[in-house]
Order: sequence, then C-alpha cells, then structure tokens
Amino acid sequence: AQSVTQLGSHVSVSEGALVLLRCNYSSSVPPYLFWYVQYPNQGLQLLLKYTSAATLVKGINGFEAEFKKSETSFHLTKPSAHMSDAAEYFCAVSAPGRQKVTFGTGTKLQVIP
Amino acid sequence: NAGVTQTPKFQVLKTGQSMTLQCAQDMNHNSMYWYRQDPGMGLRLIYYSASEGTTDKGEVPNGYNVSRLNKREFSLRLESAAPSQTSVYFCASSGSWGQGAAEAFFGQGTRLTVV
Repeated sequence: AQSVTQLGSHVSVSEGALVLLRCNYSSSVPPYLFWYVQYPNQGLQLLLKYTSAATLVKGINGFEAEFKKSETSFHLTKPSAHMSDAAEYFCAVSAPGRQKVTFGTGTKLQVIP
Repeated sequence: NAGVTQTPKFQVLKTGQSMTLQCAQDMNHNSMYWYRQDPGMGLRLIYYSASEGTTDKGEVPNGYNVSRLNKREFSLRLESAAPSQTSVYFCASSGSWGQGAAEAFFGQGTRLTVV
C-alpha cells in the first residue's frame, strides 16, 4: 500500500521568499509521485509528476520537486513566492500500473505581501 | 475544450433522500474516479473505473454506488443520504497507465450538504 504524509497543514511565506512544502511517502514498490494545486472553489490541477526518470522534476508556474529515495521525500519548492501561489497543495502517490492514486491531506499556502 | 464536467455544482439533500452525481469527460480517457474532499482529510477515493464496464471500490465506498455508463460517463449515486456524506465530490479521469503515470484531470466539484 502507498501513502503520503504532508508536514504542515498551513504554511505562510512572504512574497518573494522561498516556498518549501514537505511530502514524505511510503511505498512497497518504486512509486509514482505527484503534486497538485487547488485554487479556491476549483478542482485540482497537476503541477508536476515523478515517474522514475530524472529525480529533479520541473513543473508549471516555476515549481519543482526532488525525489529523494534515501529520505522517502518529494518536497515541493519555488525560489520566489508570488501572491498568485496562494492555494492548497496536495502530494499524491501511486504504484506503476495501478489505477489508485492516494492523496495527502493537503497544505494551504498563504503568501503575505 | 470542456475536459471533465460534473453536475450539479451544488446540492442540498434531506437525510434519506437519494441522488445521482453526473460526470462526463471528453478526452477519451479509459479511467475515471470519484473522490470526496473533507477538511483536513485530503481527497479520498470512493470508487474508480479502470475502463468501460469495470468498477472497483476505493477507500470509502460505503453508502455509494457507481455506474460506468459508457466511456465518457461515470455516475455516483447516494441511495439514502446521511449527514456524514456532506462533502465536496470530485470526478476525475486519466488516460492509460500502461506507459507511465497518467495525469488526472479533475472536474470543478459538487458541493453536497445533507441536512
């Protein structure tokens, strides 16, 4: 079975500061990992995904994440936060060939002017 | 390009009433999913359909039924609504997983309140 743990249900950063959202995974097989973003009153949108190719994955809107097997982590980063980054972010995991995707509990990002 | 369309967007039900949430996708995806989203609990999978004609239970299937009507449509039915089913429901679809992880596309959600 796969699972993900997102550390911190709420994160606040100043505009222009580094964004770091933490995700640790548990999986009995090499996982596929995802980050999704949800803006208020909308569905989820894929930011980036890891599928066992490059360990550093670049996504949309300047976000990137690094797969670290030794730390079972897949943290999401962005060098400089924008006001438009305020949203809820979800880490998710699945196993290759499996249909089920398991989501974390989400982290709400607040960007302070 | 509509993507994934869910109806209705909002619904209020009385305890014991039934209703069906509709979902349709126009991306020719094989797989479709129903999730519920509750504060502090993320998204939990209710049911999914890997292909037309097949459905499987997810994490929280109790109190729900689904129908994969055709490749485009995947409906979720609450036979006897309970207050615990108050939630935001999301439908999603994805292409084939055979060649790696397929991106899931989500609908806008249905906000359901059971009183």
